[in-house]
Amino acid sequence: NAGVTQTPKFRVLKTGQSMTLLCAQDMNHEYMYWYRQDPGMGLRLIHYSVGEGTTAKGEVPDGYNVSRLKKQNFLLGLESAAPSQTSVYFCASSAGNGNSPLHFGNGTRLTVT
Amino acid sequence: AQSVTQLGSHVSVSEGALVLLRCNYSSSVPPYLFWYVQYPNQGLQLLLKYTSAATLVKGINGFEAEFKKSETSFHLTKPSAHMSDAAEYFCAVAAVEYGNKLVFGAGTILRVKS
Repeated sequence: NAGVTQTPKFRVLKTGQSMTLLCAQDMNHEYMYWYRQDPGMGLRLIHYSVGEGTTAKGEVPDGYNVSRLKKQNFLLGLESAAPSQTSVYFCASSAGNGNSPLHFGNGTRLTVT
Repeated sequence: AQSVTQLGSHVSVSEGALVLLRCNYSSSVPPYLFWYVQYPNQGLQLLLKYTSAATLVKGINGFEAEFKKSETSFHLTKPSAHMSDAAEYFCAVAAVEYGNKLVFGAGTILRVKS
């Protein structure tokens, strides 16, 4: 049972380039999330999805787009990368809302130069 | 806006000593509260959660946390630290403004000295 899988693990981009981070979960969870982790700031919610075909904005959505075309996959896109988007990105999923625990992937370390 | 404050970005204890990691939250209604642990180069793992069933919550690896509504706190404790407890710990609250999605504190790095 793989749980939540993120690809790639590492990536370096130049300012203005685009990329897509992939997240896949095999637990049949309805809810999926993208967070970014920065030193001293904890994890901040970028976007989330409450089911296939739905997405919503979190705390820090600017500069990112997401898609949930299949229940098991949640994609995070950067259309024009900026140095401020240098961070570690975590995908998570949960069975429900509120008190359902999140299951996290191992993260994607992105550097934008 | 709902928020979580973790007091102390770094905590250092000796092996065998008490571990106390502090967390305060802001919420106008009884919240869902969580503690997660992150080991180096890994994602976060759930330690324990509070969902109003009991104020003292026991988690994995000997950790527990007590919900104190009057103090709006949810501090994490462990009676005796082990070297393997060295990690970063995050307190989180389910935020009503984001449809009960989790809002995390800034994290506390726990160092255990031998």
